[in-house]
This record gives sequence, structure tokens and C-alpha cells, in this order.
Amino acid sequence: GAVVSQHPSWVICKSGTSVKIECRSLDFQATTMFWYRQFPKQSLMLMATSNEGSKATYEQGVEKDKFLINHASLTLSTLTVTSAHPEDSSFYICSASNSLNTEAFFGQGTRLTVV
Amino acid sequence: RKEVEQDPGPFNVPEGATVAFNCTYSNSASQSFFWYRQDCRKEPKLLMSVYSSGNEDGRFTAQLNRASQYISLLIRDSKLSDSATYLCVVNIEGGKLIFGQGTELSVKP
Repeated sequence: GAVVSQHPSWVICKSGTSVKIECRSLDFQATTMFWYRQFPKQSLMLMATSNEGSKATYEQGVEKDKFLINHASLTLSTLTVTSAHPEDSSFYICSASNSLNTEAFFGQGTRLTVV
Repeated sequence: RKEVEQDPGPFNVPEGATVAFNCTYSNSASQSFFWYRQDCRKEPKLLMSVYSSGNEDGRFTAQLNRASQYISLLIRDSKLSDSATYLCVVNIEGGKLIFGQGTELSVKP
């Protein structure tokens, strides 16, 4: 299957700093990527839809100024958590669909801990 | 009402047991349906797609009923390695996936 690479796999940062997470589709062009967040013992919650060359679409309740998404190319989307706080500590995961939209391919996820 | 609802867990079963997971979805315009498996602290991995005609992959059988907006997964002859969280997933449009809360399965010796 297609490969989606997410980096870093884990990060610890101080409260108030910003963290950038990268999501790359390695062997296909992804016009759309999705960002999810998963808190312990909960399911994945869609945060935003990232469209190449245009603004991301955020789900209700997700602060667009706090979670900055950039999708500058067909193979790269980035999520920046700005002014991170301990409550932002979570598992962040991206996915990308191929042109047929028959399956979503997930990155390995990024475990963010804000101290 | 949640868009995708699953059986609450956890399910604790002995090896060799048959276990069934149920799922309902609310958006009648949903396009495609999947079961994903997620191991602890890992990304979800596709287990199987779900079709109205029903589909089987070894010990796993998935079924979709569009009229009642119901999806099921049956696991026969459970193995220890089947222990994981099983996620019912619905594709709303264009790859946008909505996840159920997941059902944890624990298979014991």
C-alpha cells in the first residue's frame, strides 16, 4: 500500500512553545490530507482537512489560529501547534487519500507532550 | 448523536471464541465503510473494507446494511494476536473519515 511518513514520532516541548509536525506522502500525490487528534482511551477526532494550495477546513471547535496547517505541495502537509499548553498533549496523526479515495493511508503518528 | 457509534467495550474473550462487533452511522450519504485495527500507541491500520454484499477475509467477516445504516464485524476462532481496538470507520466524502469510538478486544489464553 501507499506510504505516508509523519515526523517526528514523538516530541516533548515546553509550555508556550510551538511544534511543527510534518506529513509526507512518499509514493503518491495527495491533494487532500487530514489531521486527527487522539486523546488516551478515545477515538481519533478529525481536526481539519488540508487541501493543497488552499486554506485548510477546520472542524467545529478546533482553533485555526492555534493549529496552523500548511499544504504547500502535493506530498507535504504540516501542522503547527502554536503556544502549546499541557492540554494539547495528545497523539496527532495525519492521513492521505489516493485519487480513488478507496482507502486512507495513515502516518505513524506524533505523540506530543507539553510540559 | 455521534456520527459513528460502536458497541462499548472492552470485550474479554478466550482464545477460539467468536466475537461480533456492531456499528451504526448517522449520515445516509456516507460513501464507503471500513474496519480499522489500532494497537496501543500506534496508528490505525486497515483491516478490511465493508460492502453490502458482505465480505470475508479468513477469520474475519464484515457486513453492511445500508437501509439500517449498520455495519458489523465477526471474528471467528479468536487468536491472542487479535487483541486490539477495532474502529468502525465511515468515509463521508473525499477521504474524510469519521471514526467510531472503538471497541477494545482482549483475547485471553
